[in-house]
Amino acid sequence: GESVGLHLPTLSVQEGDNSIINCAYSNSASDYFIWYKQESGKGPQFIIDIRSNMDKRQGQRVTVLLNKTVKHLSLQIAATQPGDSAVYFCAERVNRDDKIIFGKGTRLHILP
Amino acid sequence: DTGVSQDPRHKITKRGQNVTFRCDPISEHNRLYWYRQTLGQGPEFLTYFQNEAQLEKSRLLSDRFSAERPKGSFSTLEIQRTEQGDSAMYLCASSLGRVSHGVKAFFGQGTRLTVV
Repeated sequence: GESVGLHLPTLSVQEGDNSIINCAYSNSASDYFIWYKQESGKGPQFIIDIRSNMDKRQGQRVTVLLNKTVKHLSLQIAATQPGDSAVYFCAERVNRDDKIIFGKGTRLHILP
Repeated sequence: DTGVSQDPRHKITKRGQNVTFRCDPISEHNRLYWYRQTLGQGPEFLTYFQNEAQLEKSRLLSDRFSAERPKGSFSTLEIQRTEQGDSAMYLCASSLGRVSHGVKAFFGQGTRLTVV
C-alpha cells in the first residue's frame, strides 16, 4: 500500500510568514524524496528533492528537512506569497524502484 | 508548460463506453509514466514505460485498462467499458532515465475524465 502521508490536509498562513508543511513516510527503504506543488487544473510541479543520505537541502525560498529516525519530511517556504497557494505533495521512491509514490497532499491557503 | 502534452484535457463519457487518452512526452525522454488522481488525493501510479517496453503495472490497472507506447514516443491509455469509479484526472509524466537527484519527472496537465 501507499506509505507516504501528511499530517494536515489544510494549512492557512499569513502572507509574508513562513510555511511549514509536514509529511510522514513509513517505508525505511525509501532513498529519495521529492516535494511537488500542484496548482488547480495543472499537473504536479517539482519544487525540491532530497536524497536519504542528506538531512537538509535548500533552494530558493524553500528548504526540505529529512529526519530518517522518525521517518519525517518537511517543506519550509520562507516569506509565503499569494503565488504559493496550491496543494503540496511529498513523494518518495523506494530503493531500486522506478516509480514515485505520492502522499495525499496539503492545501496551502495564503491569508492577506 | 512542461513540454508534456496530454489530449484531450477533458472527456465526458457515458458509462460503458471506451475512451482513449494520449500523452506526448518531452521528445528525448525514454521513460513515460501514467498516474491517476482523484479529488483530494495524491496521484496514484498506474504504469510506466521505458522506451516501448511496459515495465511495471499497478494492481490498480484492471483488465479494462491498457496502455501502449508503440514507437517509444507518444503513449495511449485506453479504458474499456468505463465505470463511474473511473472518473479521475489521468496524469502523464516523462523523464530522461530513472527519476533521481538530477533526473526530474515532468508532468502534463492531465486529462480529466467524467463518467456519467
